[in-house]
Amino acid sequence: QLQLQESGPGLVKPSETLSLTCTVSGGSISSSSYYWGWIRQPPGKGLKWIGSIYYSGSTYYNPSLKSRVTISVDTSKNQFSLKLRSVTAADTAVYYCVYGSGIWFDPWGHGTLVTVSS
Amino acid sequence: EIVMTQSPATLSVSPGERATLSCRASQSVSSNLAWYQQKPGQAPRLLIYGASTRATDIPARFSGSGSGTEFTLTISSLQSEDFAVYYCQQYNSWPPLYTFGQGTKLEIK
Repeated sequence: QLQLQESGPGLVKPSETLSLTCTVSGGSISSSSYYWGWIRQPPGKGLKWIGSIYYSGSTYYNPSLKSRVTISVDTSKNQFSLKLRSVTAADTAVYYCVYGSGIWFDPWGHGTLVTVSS
Repeated sequence: EIVMTQSPATLSVSPGERATLSCRASQSVSSNLAWYQQKPGQAPRLLIYGASTRATDIPARFSGSGSGTEFTLTISSLQSEDFAVYYCQQYNSWPPLYTFGQGTKLEIK
């Protein structure tokens, strides 16, 4: 059974780069024909798709975040990562890593809260 | 960007009764619609995909219907564990741009 687990700093200073890693277990990140992605949820608010990376290496990002986001895969560690540059308080959220079919997302990681504050 | 609008924002229903949640898309998404359930402090869980197909291990009391721009999630007989926030999500564009509704909170009446 595929399982995902996010890791990374829980506190990031404004203007710095948010970096998170998702470790995949129960399956190989390089053997999937689907994709890996990130979704975030500000406290008490709704869900927003950040971006995805396909097994081919192609990446797709939400246009509203595209200029600041990079998603990459490390097949040797069975991990994928998120980098969000120039963060502000508006980037404070729970960040989820997800596995996607192309239409839906399942499973999700447990989520990790990242607070942007000095 | 396709905007997803869920209604109502909050729905109060008694255990054992039926709950009907709505989701509307700003333009047609065909049947590319999924529903998720989120409980406090937990990640969302996939309930329905393809507008009407239950995900693995989802009880039969959950059903989805609709296509195009109008969708419905029905919970036929509410159990205590069903009280949560429900989100709809669409995919119908290339390059991919997934959007979610703002959520419906299902609370105990």
